[in-house]
Amino acid sequence: NAGVMQNPRHLVRRRGQEARLRCSPMKGHSHVYWYRQLPEEGLKFMVYLQKENIIDESGMPKERFSAEFPKEGPSILRIQQVVRGDSAAYFCASSTLQGSYEQYFGPGTRLTVT
Amino acid sequence: AQTVTQSQPEMSVQEAETVTLSCTYDTSESDYYLFWYKQPPSRQMILVIRQEAYKQQNATENRFSVNFQKAAKSFSLKISDSQLGDAAMYFCAYRGSQGGSEKLVFGKGTKLTVNP
Repeated sequence: NAGVMQNPRHLVRRRGQEARLRCSPMKGHSHVYWYRQLPEEGLKFMVYLQKENIIDESGMPKERFSAEFPKEGPSILRIQQVVRGDSAAYFCASSTLQGSYEQYFGPGTRLTVT
Repeated sequence: AQTVTQSQPEMSVQEAETVTLSCTYDTSESDYYLFWYKQPPSRQMILVIRQEAYKQQNATENRFSVNFQKAAKSFSLKISDSQLGDAAMYFCAYRGSQGGSEKLVFGKGTKLTVNP
């Protein structure tokens, strides 16, 4: 049973470009969470999605960031017009039914903005 | 809002010895979950142990155990017989149980070094 998959593992973007991070949840999981980890920091919640719905986006920056989890395909975290401060590791986690207490994490995508 | 505090940025332990990592949290909820995650240099987040707040018994997973003090809002992790492979960042995390509050709230982490 494959775990949570994220790609790419490493992404380099110049300032002003767009970054697209992909997350495929574990088989049978319909809930996806995105977290951001800045250097020397813990993970910070960004957004919680179910298929075709955003449930909680309280951690998402108001501008340039968006997320989706379509009926088919992976969840996408999109960052438009990236800035140096967006450089971080972005982790995706998935879980089964709402109320499940265990989130399984992917290996993360390290975004570097030059 | 819930907060999680890890007051030890770094800890070290001799191989085969025991070490305790501290975690405190703040919440107004009565029912919730607490976790310890390990992040080795590979950056993969690995769940070490979980504790349901309604359970009085402290969780144990092999060499890992917790000391959960609900009234004090304290949740420490004890690693017994430390091994070189235990070297990693350890994050304490909180999750509420109310509908919609699925997110994990993490502390800033403790870097554990294991000396041979």
